[in-house]
Amino acid sequence: GAVVSQHPSWVICKSGTSVKIECRSLDFQATTMFWYRQFPKQSLMLMATSNEGSKATYEQGVEKDKFLINHASLTLSTLTVTSAHPEDSSFYICSASLGTTYEQYFGPGTRLTVT
Amino acid sequence: AQTVTQSQPEMSVQEAETVTLSCTYDTSESDYYLFWYKQPPSRQMILVIRQEAYKQQNATENRFSVNFQKAAKSFSLKISDSQLGDAAMYFCAYKLANAGGTSYGKLTFGQGTILTVHP
Repeated sequence: GAVVSQHPSWVICKSGTSVKIECRSLDFQATTMFWYRQFPKQSLMLMATSNEGSKATYEQGVEKDKFLINHASLTLSTLTVTSAHPEDSSFYICSASLGTTYEQYFGPGTRLTVT
Repeated sequence: AQTVTQSQPEMSVQEAETVTLSCTYDTSESDYYLFWYKQPPSRQMILVIRQEAYKQQNATENRFSVNFQKAAKSFSLKISDSQLGDAAMYFCAYKLANAGGTSYGKLTFGQGTILTVHP
């Protein structure tokens, strides 16, 4: 149980375009989902927290207009990187939780390359 | 704000030997959780072990055990009988137990320790 999927696992896009990453909880209802960014051999940096049906809460320094997060259902959250640039190239990881006091289950990550 | 520090960027161990990874944290809270996560080359985050701060007994999971020193704010991970499959990046993480306000049950991660296992 507690499986989280991400799609796509790897995406290449051209500079200036937008790309959407999906995060799904496959066997449980995720009240809360988290989005992280990770550079090679570095730690996970929390970008934002989303609760189903409400606006995401972004961490300081994260541009909410650039990284659009939608959590429209209890099993799906999406991260859209708008007007992507090469510096947005990174590994994006989502996690899902039954609620803020519960365990976080991590997706396998999405590697984004912007050319 | 809570911080988590892993002072060992890299560690190595011989297969079948024991290795200890260090973690310290800073918090003014008394009720929280601590975790060790493993991230192998696949980059999938895997929960290794979890410790509730109110529990004095150190958590153990098979070959993995922790040394939780609440007063010293230290939370080290011991891997016994190391195996080649233990090679990964290990992250220590903290989470406030009574999430509310802007906390939302967020995990705060340390910088990570890359563990190499030599055959």
